[in-house]
Amino acid sequence: DTAVSQTPKYLVTQMGNDKSIKCEQNLGHDTMYWYKQDSKKFLKIMFSYNNKELIINETVPNRFSPKSPDKAHLNLHINSLELGDSAVYFCASSLTGAGNTIYFGEGSWLTVV
Amino acid sequence: AQSVTQLGSHVSVSEGALVLLRCNYSSSVPPYLFWYVQYPNQGLQLLLKYTSAATLVKGINGFEAEFKKSETSFHLTKPSAHMSDAAEYFCAVSDRGGSNYKLTFGKGTLLTVNP
Repeated sequence: DTAVSQTPKYLVTQMGNDKSIKCEQNLGHDTMYWYKQDSKKFLKIMFSYNNKELIINETVPNRFSPKSPDKAHLNLHINSLELGDSAVYFCASSLTGAGNTIYFGEGSWLTVV
Repeated sequence: AQSVTQLGSHVSVSEGALVLLRCNYSSSVPPYLFWYVQYPNQGLQLLLKYTSAATLVKGINGFEAEFKKSETSFHLTKPSAHMSDAAEYFCAVSDRGGSNYKLTFGKGTLLTVNP
Protein backbone atom coordinates (compact mmCIF):
# COMPACT_ATOMS: atom_id res chain seq x y z
CA ASP A 1 0.00 0.00 0.00
CA THR A 2 1.27 3.45 -0.94
CA ALA A 3 1.92 5.54 2.18
CA VAL A 4 1.76 9.00 0.61
CA SER A 5 -0.03 9.08 -2.70
CA GLN A 6 -0.54 12.04 -4.97
CA THR A 7 -2.38 12.50 -8.24
CA PRO A 8 -1.85 13.17 -11.02
CA LYS A 9 1.74 12.06 -11.52
CA TYR A 10 2.10 13.98 -14.75
CA LEU A 11 0.28 17.14 -15.74
CA VAL A 12 0.78 19.25 -18.85
CA THR A 13 -1.29 22.40 -19.10
CA GLN A 14 -1.38 25.80 -20.72
CA MET A 15 -0.47 29.11 -19.15
CA GLY A 16 -3.39 30.75 -17.42
CA ASN A 17 -5.15 27.51 -16.54
CA ASP A 18 -6.10 26.43 -13.03
CA LYS A 19 -5.10 22.97 -11.82
CA SER A 20 -5.17 20.89 -8.66
CA ILE A 21 -2.94 18.17 -7.22
CA LYS A 22 -4.39 15.82 -4.65
CA CYS A 23 -2.53 14.11 -1.83
CA GLU A 24 -3.52 11.46 0.68
CA GLN A 25 -1.54 9.67 3.36
CA ASN A 26 -2.50 6.46 5.16
CA LEU A 27 0.24 6.59 7.80
CA GLY A 28 -1.87 8.17 10.53
CA HIS A 29 0.31 11.29 10.49
CA ASP A 30 -1.00 14.64 11.64
CA THR A 31 1.31 16.93 9.68
CA MET A 32 1.40 17.25 5.89
CA TYR A 33 3.57 19.28 3.56
CA TRP A 34 4.00 20.50 0.02
CA TYR A 35 7.52 20.81 -1.34
CA LYS A 36 8.54 22.15 -4.74
CA GLN A 37 11.53 20.77 -6.67
CA ASP A 38 12.77 23.01 -9.47
CA SER A 39 14.60 22.09 -12.64
CA LYS A 40 17.93 22.13 -10.77
CA LYS A 41 16.57 19.59 -8.29
CA PHE A 42 16.44 22.14 -5.48
CA LEU A 43 13.78 21.26 -2.91
CA LYS A 44 11.96 23.97 -0.99
CA ILE A 45 9.05 23.79 1.38
CA MET A 46 5.89 25.59 0.34
CA PHE A 47 3.33 24.76 3.04
CA SER A 48 2.78 22.62 6.07
CA TYR A 49 -0.46 21.74 7.82
CA ASN A 50 -0.95 20.24 11.25
CA ASN A 51 -4.36 18.73 11.94
CA LYS A 52 -5.85 20.80 9.11
CA GLU A 53 -4.33 24.03 10.39
CA LEU A 54 -1.87 25.99 8.23
CA ILE A 55 1.47 26.16 10.02
CA ILE A 56 4.02 27.13 7.38
CA ASN A 57 3.42 29.35 4.36
CA GLU A 58 6.82 29.96 2.88
CA THR A 59 6.29 33.14 0.83
CA VAL A 60 4.43 31.31 -1.87
CA PRO A 61 2.39 33.40 -4.38
CA ASN A 62 -1.30 33.70 -3.59
CA ARG A 63 -2.04 31.75 -6.76
CA PHE A 64 -1.14 28.65 -4.75
CA SER A 65 -3.83 27.64 -2.30
CA PRO A 66 -3.54 24.51 -0.19
CA LYS A 67 -6.60 22.90 1.31
CA SER A 68 -6.73 20.25 3.99
CA PRO A 69 -10.22 18.74 4.36
CA ASP A 70 -8.93 16.37 7.04
CA LYS A 71 -5.56 15.44 8.44
CA ALA A 72 -5.09 12.64 5.91
CA HIS A 73 -5.49 14.90 2.88
CA LEU A 74 -3.73 17.98 1.62
CA ASN A 75 -4.56 19.26 -1.83
CA LEU A 76 -2.82 22.00 -3.78
CA HIS A 77 -4.72 24.27 -6.13
CA ILE A 78 -2.87 26.57 -8.49
CA ASN A 79 -4.59 29.45 -10.27
CA SER A 80 -3.44 31.24 -13.40
CA LEU A 81 -0.52 28.94 -14.06
CA GLU A 82 2.73 30.51 -15.24
CA LEU A 83 5.68 29.02 -17.07
CA GLY A 84 7.77 29.34 -13.90
CA ASP A 85 5.39 27.03 -12.06
CA SER A 86 6.77 24.09 -14.03
CA ALA A 87 8.35 21.84 -11.42
CA VAL A 88 7.87 18.66 -9.48
CA TYR A 89 5.57 19.04 -6.50
CA PHE A 90 6.01 16.62 -3.62
CA CYS A 91 3.49 15.93 -0.94
CA ALA A 92 4.84 14.62 2.35
CA SER A 93 3.70 13.76 5.84
CA SER A 94 5.05 13.13 9.33
CA LEU A 95 4.08 12.93 12.95
CA THR A 96 4.23 16.23 14.78
CA GLY A 97 7.55 17.00 16.37
CA ALA A 98 11.11 17.71 15.41
CA GLY A 99 13.19 14.77 14.33
CA ASN A 100 10.32 12.69 13.03
CA THR A 101 10.83 11.20 9.61
CA ILE A 102 9.07 12.99 6.79
CA TYR A 103 7.68 10.59 4.20
CA PHE A 104 7.40 11.78 0.62
CA GLY A 105 5.04 10.92 -2.17
CA GLU A 106 6.19 10.03 -5.67
CA GLY A 107 5.82 13.58 -6.94
CA SER A 108 3.62 15.35 -9.49
CA TRP A 109 5.43 16.56 -12.60
CA LEU A 110 3.79 19.81 -13.70
CA THR A 111 4.67 21.28 -17.08
CA VAL A 112 3.18 24.61 -18.09
CA VAL A 113 3.34 25.39 -21.81
CA ALA B 1 18.08 29.94 9.84
CA GLN B 2 19.14 26.37 9.44
CA SER B 3 21.02 25.44 6.30
CA VAL B 4 23.13 22.67 4.84
CA THR B 5 25.83 22.76 2.20
CA GLN B 6 26.56 19.74 0.07
CA LEU B 7 30.06 19.90 -1.37
CA GLY B 8 30.12 18.64 -4.93
CA SER B 9 27.04 18.61 -7.09
CA HIS B 10 28.29 15.50 -8.86
CA VAL B 11 30.36 12.61 -7.54
CA SER B 12 31.48 9.78 -9.77
CA VAL B 13 32.91 6.51 -8.44
CA SER B 14 33.73 3.08 -9.79
CA GLU B 15 31.70 0.09 -8.77
CA GLY B 16 33.20 -1.32 -5.58
CA ALA B 17 34.85 1.97 -4.58
CA LEU B 18 34.18 4.01 -1.47
CA VAL B 19 31.32 6.48 -1.65
CA LEU B 20 31.75 9.75 0.25
CA LEU B 21 29.13 12.48 -0.03
CA ARG B 22 29.79 15.60 1.99
CA CYS B 23 27.35 17.67 4.01
CA ASN B 24 28.02 20.55 6.37
CA TYR B 25 25.37 22.26 8.43
CA SER B 26 25.04 25.76 9.74
CA SER B 27 23.44 26.00 13.15
CA SER B 28 24.31 27.36 16.57
CA VAL B 29 22.65 24.36 18.18
CA PRO B 30 23.19 20.80 16.92
CA PRO B 31 20.21 20.14 14.71
CA TYR B 32 18.55 17.01 13.47
CA LEU B 33 20.17 15.81 10.24
CA PHE B 34 18.90 13.57 7.48
CA TRP B 35 20.05 11.97 4.27
CA TYR B 36 17.50 11.19 1.58
CA VAL B 37 17.94 9.45 -1.77
CA GLN B 38 15.98 10.17 -4.93
CA TYR B 39 16.03 7.70 -7.80
CA PRO B 40 15.08 8.99 -11.26
CA ASN B 41 11.44 10.01 -11.54
CA GLN B 42 10.72 8.94 -7.98
CA GLY B 43 10.10 10.52 -4.62
CA LEU B 44 12.55 10.88 -1.75
CA GLN B 45 13.39 7.96 0.49
CA LEU B 46 15.01 8.31 3.89
CA LEU B 47 18.46 6.72 4.12
CA LEU B 48 19.23 7.64 7.71
CA LYS B 49 18.89 10.37 10.31
CA TYR B 50 20.71 11.79 13.30
CA THR B 51 18.63 12.80 16.30
CA SER B 52 21.31 13.02 19.01
CA ALA B 53 21.63 9.40 19.93
CA ALA B 54 24.75 7.70 18.53
CA THR B 55 26.93 9.96 16.40
CA LEU B 56 27.55 7.14 13.91
CA VAL B 57 24.27 6.39 12.23
CA LYS B 58 23.64 3.34 10.10
CA GLY B 59 21.03 3.45 7.39
CA ILE B 60 19.56 1.37 4.64
CA ASN B 61 21.45 -0.11 1.69
CA GLY B 62 24.77 -0.16 3.57
CA PHE B 63 25.05 3.60 4.01
CA GLU B 64 26.18 5.29 7.19
CA ALA B 65 26.93 8.83 8.34
CA GLU B 66 28.85 10.31 11.22
CA PHE B 67 27.79 13.45 13.04
CA LYS B 68 30.85 15.56 13.91
CA LYS B 69 29.96 18.62 15.95
CA SER B 70 33.48 20.04 15.83
CA GLU B 71 33.39 20.02 12.05
CA THR B 72 29.65 20.75 11.72
CA SER B 73 29.54 17.85 9.30
CA PHE B 74 27.34 14.86 8.54
CA HIS B 75 29.06 13.09 5.66
CA LEU B 76 27.47 10.03 4.05
CA THR B 77 29.62 7.00 3.27
CA LYS B 78 29.33 3.52 1.85
CA PRO B 79 32.35 1.19 1.71
CA SER B 80 31.60 -0.32 -1.68
CA ALA B 81 29.48 1.32 -4.36
CA HIS B 82 26.96 -0.66 -6.33
CA MET B 83 25.46 0.26 -9.67
CA SER B 84 22.07 0.52 -8.00
CA ASP B 85 23.38 3.37 -5.79
CA ALA B 86 23.32 5.77 -8.72
CA ALA B 87 20.86 8.48 -7.70
CA GLU B 88 20.54 12.00 -6.33
CA TYR B 89 21.34 12.35 -2.63
CA PHE B 90 20.06 15.12 -0.41
CA CYS B 91 21.24 16.20 2.99
CA ALA B 92 18.60 17.95 5.09
CA VAL B 93 18.41 19.71 8.44
CA SER B 94 15.70 20.63 10.87
CA ASP B 95 15.75 22.52 14.12
CA ARG B 96 14.83 20.94 17.42
CA GLY B 97 11.71 22.72 18.47
CA GLY B 98 8.55 24.50 17.55
CA SER B 99 5.40 23.49 15.78
CA ASN B 100 6.75 24.69 12.45
CA TYR B 101 8.75 21.54 11.88
CA LYS B 102 10.23 21.32 8.40
CA LEU B 103 13.25 20.05 6.56
CA THR B 104 15.63 22.39 4.78
CA PHE B 105 17.47 20.60 2.01
CA GLY B 106 20.88 20.99 0.46
CA LYS B 107 21.19 21.32 -3.29
CA GLY B 108 21.81 17.64 -3.79
CA THR B 109 24.67 15.50 -5.03
CA LEU B 110 24.29 13.31 -8.07
CA LEU B 111 26.12 10.03 -7.61
CA THR B 112 27.11 8.12 -10.71
CA VAL B 113 28.63 4.65 -10.49
CA ASN B 114 30.85 3.45 -13.31
CA PRO B 115 31.19 -0.24 -14.13
